[in-house]
Amino acid sequence: GAVVSQHPSWVICKSGTSVKIECRSLDFQATTMFWYRQFPKQSLMLMATSNEGSKATYEQGVEKDKFLINHASLTLSTLTVTSAHPEDSSFYICSARSGGHQPQHFGDGTRLSIL
Amino acid sequence: AQTVTQSQPEMSVQEAETVTLSCTYDTSESDYYLFWYKQPPSRQMILVIRQEAYKQQNATENRFSVNFQKAAKSFSLKISDSQLGDAAMYFCAFSENSGGSNYKLTFGKGTLLTVNP
Repeated sequence: GAVVSQHPSWVICKSGTSVKIECRSLDFQATTMFWYRQFPKQSLMLMATSNEGSKATYEQGVEKDKFLINHASLTLSTLTVTSAHPEDSSFYICSARSGGHQPQHFGDGTRLSIL
Repeated sequence: AQTVTQSQPEMSVQEAETVTLSCTYDTSESDYYLFWYKQPPSRQMILVIRQEAYKQQNATENRFSVNFQKAAKSFSLKISDSQLGDAAMYFCAFSENSGGSNYKLTFGKGTLLTVNP
């Protein structure tokens, strides 16, 4: 149980395009979803927290207009990197939790490469 | 704000031996959770073990156990009978036990564990 599916796993696109990453909880309802960014050989950096039906809460230093997060249902959250540039290239990971004292369960991540 | 410190960037262990990974944290909260996550080369984040701060008994999951010292704010992970598949980056993480915090995780910088055959 507690499976989180993240899609796509790898995307390469040209500079200036927008990229959408999906995060789905397959067998539970995710009241809260999280988006992280991870640079090579570094730890996970929390970008934002989203609760279903509410606006996402962004961490300090994260541009909300660059990284659009939508959590429209209890099983789906999306991260859209708008007008992506090479410096946005990174590994993005989502996680989800069902509520109460349940731990976060992670997706497999998305490797984003902007040319 | 909470901080999590992993003082060992890299560790190595012989197959079948035991290794301990260190983690310390700083918080003013009294009610919280501590976690160890494993990230193998596939980069998938896998929950290894979880400890609730109000429980004095150390958590155990098969070959994985923790030494939780609340007063010292220490949370080390012991891996017994190490296997080649244990090779990974290990992250220690902290979460307040508070709905207001959304149970956000604060991660340490990680310890890269190598298992030698």
